[in-house]
Amino acid sequence: IAGITQAPTSQILAAGRRMTLRCTQDMRHNAMYWYRQDLGLGLRLIHYSNTAGTTGKGEVPDGYSVSRANTDDFPLTLASAVPSQTSVYFCASSENSGGYNEQFFGPGTRLTVL
Amino acid sequence: GQNIDQPTEMTATEGAIVQINCTYQTSGFNGLFWYQQHAGEAPTFLSYNVLDGLEEKGRFSSFLSRSKGYSYLLLKELQMKDSASYLCAGGDSNYQLIWGAGTKLIIKP
Repeated sequence: IAGITQAPTSQILAAGRRMTLRCTQDMRHNAMYWYRQDLGLGLRLIHYSNTAGTTGKGEVPDGYSVSRANTDDFPLTLASAVPSQTSVYFCASSENSGGYNEQFFGPGTRLTVL
Repeated sequence: GQNIDQPTEMTATEGAIVQINCTYQTSGFNGLFWYQQHAGEAPTFLSYNVLDGLEEKGRFSSFLSRSKGYSYLLLKELQMKDSASYLCAGGDSNYQLIWGAGTKLIIKP
């Protein structure tokens, strides 16, 4: 692994189903983030984690949950998917959370909820 | 409230220069970032400004005026591969990034 990976690449999901999007980084970055990107809107922060063992809510957290059991992994769970959660989801990481910190992005997961 | 504004789309000619503007309002200020995003791909970092002035990096330069809440990205000697969306993002008081919707840059031969 080099950088940050996400799985699956794309998924079609029936409404009401539970889904976990996976994110793994091998850069030993402390901070990790989940964004959604919708046409005509900027990236919107869903949840973040400043360090392993801690998480925080972003701009649009409703319907999503995260965990950060270790430094490398930051899964995003949709407990009961709804069509409005159709989006492209990007996971990102940065060395630290404060001040200047370039964020590195994974390739994204394209999720369609029907 | 917090807001990042940038034009939706711009068109330029190969070999020319283009300036993409961004105005921002964030609670607190912790720097202004520019990212490039090719269609169907992830954003990648281009530049970061926290002090007023111009930062030059090869064909790309970024300018910041904190007093005006204004930044621009300047792309010189445009190449076809520069066709992409350019995302402006401001760091707020919680060190989270507030993102603009992006400017789609179309390069014509």
